[in-house]
Amino acid sequence: GQQVMQIPQYQHVQEGEDFTTYCNSSTTLSNIQWYKQRPGGHPVFLIQLVKSGEVKKQKRLTFQFGEAKKNSSLHITATQTTDVGTYFCAGSGDYKLSFGAGTTVTVRA
Amino acid sequence: GAVVSQHPSRVICKSGTSVKIECRSLDFQATTMFWYRQFPKQSLMLMATSNEGSKATYEQGVEKDKFLINHASLTLSTLTVTSAHPEDSSFYICSASRTGKGSPLHFGNGTRLTVT
Repeated sequence: GQQVMQIPQYQHVQEGEDFTTYCNSSTTLSNIQWYKQRPGGHPVFLIQLVKSGEVKKQKRLTFQFGEAKKNSSLHITATQTTDVGTYFCAGSGDYKLSFGAGTTVTVRA
Repeated sequence: GAVVSQHPSRVICKSGTSVKIECRSLDFQATTMFWYRQFPKQSLMLMATSNEGSKATYEQGVEKDKFLINHASLTLSTLTVTSAHPEDSSFYICSASRTGKGSPLHFGNGTRLTVT
């Protein structure tokens, strides 16, 4: 079945630095979605990418969908303490979403 | 934006009892809702897809007699953990999609279940 791999599992970042989290799917996806879960909270939808090679930005967050629609990345620039949490990618291939393992981000002030 | 309400947020129960968790879509109709389970520091594991007016579709390895799902209306799905045991302790989250297959999910706040 469809599997979505996400790395790294943990990311410790100095405030102000950049980082990237990556997702790879074993199959071609119809779309990929990104969610953020704050500690103790529930996942919140961030964005959806549909087109091959698509790039979308939300302030300091840049999301990219690969040309083959099998991988995606989230790049955060100038990390802030408000970026703390776990970022999940979720790939949609068949009738359901498959979530990656998540990247848990901690920030050193 | 779409709002999904989940209740209760926390529940502690004794081993052998049953617990019902409710998931409501407050401002849209959800033909399909999804129930996830999340262990500490792990990803979301889809347990079942709840379909309004029909039987739920369970993922492989999920006991349908253990986790009873009822999708009574377009805005309400319930998950009942029957004869709960300590290993059922977990974070259970429901979600719903406004427009259906492959579209973004709106999650409830989750229910932290502790079975003693």
